[in-house]
Amino acid sequence: KNEVEQSPQNLTAQEGEFITINCSYSVGISALHWLQQHPGGGIVSLFMLSSGKKKHGRLIATINIQEKHSSLHITASHPRDSAVYICAVLPYTGNQFYFGTGTSLTVIP
Amino acid sequence: DSGVTQTPKHLITATGQRVTLRCSPRSGDLSVYWYQQSLDQGLQFLIQYYNGEERAKGNILERFSAQQFPDLHSELNLSSLELGDSALYFCASSVHDRENTGELFFGEGSRLTVL
Repeated sequence: KNEVEQSPQNLTAQEGEFITINCSYSVGISALHWLQQHPGGGIVSLFMLSSGKKKHGRLIATINIQEKHSSLHITASHPRDSAVYICAVLPYTGNQFYFGTGTSLTVIP
Repeated sequence: DSGVTQTPKHLITATGQRVTLRCSPRSGDLSVYWYQQSLDQGLQFLIQYYNGEERAKGNILERFSAQQFPDLHSELNLSSLELGDSALYFCASSVHDRENTGELFFGEGSRLTVL
């Protein structure tokens, strides 16, 4: 049983499209991370959320604690956004994040 | 550049061998976390150290061990290697003890191939 589910697993979009990646989790959490993993393997932390919404450039992350759901939106997508996006949650109990298996995004020029 | 340095970037070895992966955290970060990412699988938490002491343990095999040194760099030792140990091993660091109180900064990873 995976505590964190992401959808879709794979996503192909045309450049300029608005993209949404979803993350659902089954445990009470104190924080949620969105991570970006580039084709070369490196991982970058995009957002850390505990409530509400955060925006950074073309990226927007929202979280609904009651519904145990978070979304990552990319506006005006670009081929350089092509990467795997990973959702990770920190349960109230415990000291470590649980990770989703990731959403592989390909943006076509 | 996250400020977290991992070496080596790539490592190829044979079954039964032992390897050591090294991680230097960001300057000022006291916590170091080790993760394993096998092919087509998500990140799996292995172990966390905070200021030299083990703080949390995940699904780390008995064949694996880690430590954090006084200068805060950390090493992950993998012994009696099996084919299934082939994976990307990531190190991450943060300032605080609990991950939710500080942003995580990841290294570039060490890709281990066991033949």
